[in-house]
Amino acid sequence: DIQMTQSPSTLSASVGDRVTITCRASQSISTWLAWYQQKPGKAPKVLIYDASSLESGVPSRFSGSGSGTEFTLTISSLQPDDFATYYCQQYNTYSRTFGQGTKVEIK
Amino acid sequence: EVHLVESGGGLVKPGGSLRLSCAASGFTFSSFTMIWVRQAPGKGLEWVSSITRDDSYIYYADSVKGRFTISRDNAKNSLYLQMSSLRAEDTAVYYCARDSKGALNWFDPWGQGTLVTVSS
Repeated sequence: DIQMTQSPSTLSASVGDRVTITCRASQSISTWLAWYQQKPGKAPKVLIYDASSLESGVPSRFSGSGSGTEFTLTISSLQPDDFATYYCQQYNTYSRTFGQGTKVEIK
Repeated sequence: EVHLVESGGGLVKPGGSLRLSCAASGFTFSSFTMIWVRQAPGKGLEWVSSITRDDSYIYYADSVKGRFTISRDNAKNSLYLQMSSLRAEDTAVYYCARDSKGALNWFDPWGQGTLVTVSS
């Protein structure tokens, strides 16, 4: 199975900060990667798919990049609504594994 | 509007069984691979199982293989997860999700989840 490793596990930031989360795959997954946001008690919501495509309705402050084994999610200017947990997910194979998550906390 | 609603969760003793259901609406259910994902309390997301649109391919995580069975009824727009030989580590919120574009894509949308608690 492909392993997905996110860093950091927790991130403390302030409103207005630029935030970057990294996701590494144990083998190449081309650009078959999605990013999700999850808030407490809610289902995850897709933000980015195909590594860099912004889901309809998602604010443009979210962006994704990368290919192969290394990927990043960037929030250009953190807003109060963005404090949540973020997960990457590969869909290169049917066992569509997730990263362990990155919790973005208020500094 | 695309909608997924899970049901069937609850408290079950170790070694017991439970059947989860997911009712789909707002899209052509028979055209999409469907998925179960779980999340243990305070933990991350874990893919559990996938079933292709016509049952031709079924996949399980190693952690549930041989104990869980995924199935679907396209006539009823429903997805199921039969869980047996349940263990404490199966305690989680179980989400039903749809493959976003048919097969081997990201998951969208997700249901609201149903909680399964395995405890004596």
